[in-house]
Amino acid sequence: NAGVTQTPKFRILKIGQSMTLQCTQDMNHNYMYWYRQDPGMGLKLIYYSVGAGITDKGEVPNGYNVSRSTTEDFPLRLELAAPSQTSVYFCASSDGLAGYEQYFGPGTRLTVT
Amino acid sequence: GQSLEQPSEVTAVEGAIVQINCTYQTSGFYGLSWYQQHDGGAPTFLSYNALDGLEETGRFSSFLSRSDSYGYLLLQELQMKDSASYFCAVRDGKGGGNKLTFGTGTQLKVEL
Repeated sequence: NAGVTQTPKFRILKIGQSMTLQCTQDMNHNYMYWYRQDPGMGLKLIYYSVGAGITDKGEVPNGYNVSRSTTEDFPLRLELAAPSQTSVYFCASSDGLAGYEQYFGPGTRLTVT
Repeated sequence: GQSLEQPSEVTAVEGAIVQINCTYQTSGFYGLSWYQQHDGGAPTFLSYNALDGLEETGRFSSFLSRSDSYGYLLLQELQMKDSASYFCAVRDGKGGGNKLTFGTGTQLKVEL
C-alpha cells in the first residue's frame, strides 16, 4: 500500500513551458486534491475532485488544469509556466466520510525561471 | 470565505507542554483539523474536532469551542522530534468537496 505517490519530485521549468504533475493513490479514495505551498505559508487549494469525471476549482485555480478519468489518478497540468508558479505542490486524497483526514503525497518542488 | 489565525512561531523546552492556538472566521463550519509538517516533508494528520471539547490522542490533544470560533493543539512531554510546523485547517463541507482551508502554520522549536 503506497498511499499517495507524486512524480516528479523536482522540476525546473522555463517561463512559458508546460508540464503535468502526476498523482496516484491506491486507497480507493473518492476525493482528491491539489495544493500549492509557498515558503513559510499554508497550503492553498488549487483544484479538487469528488470522483472520476468530476472536478472543481479551489482557491487558486488560474494557470492550472486537472482531469480525473480514474479513481486512482489526478494529474495537474501547468500551461505557460510563470515564475509565480514556483512552489511546492502536494496532492492529497481522502475518504468521503472522513474528509477532515487527508493523506498527502511527498510533493513536487517546482521552480520556474 | 474562510480565514484562520495562528501564531507564526513558538519555542519550548524538551519535556514541557505547549499550546498552539487557532482562531477562525468561516461561512460554513464543519470542524477543525490539525496537521504536522516537518521541514521538507508532507503534512500528516494529527487530530480533528467537530464538536466542542477535548480530543486526546497520546501526547497530543486538541480542543474546540465553536461559540468562540477557537481551537488549540496541546502537545505534552515535548520531544525534539516534535520540532515542526503545525497547521490548523477548517473543514468546509459545502459542495460535497470536504475541502480544507489551512492556516499559515505555527513553527514549533523544541530546545534542550
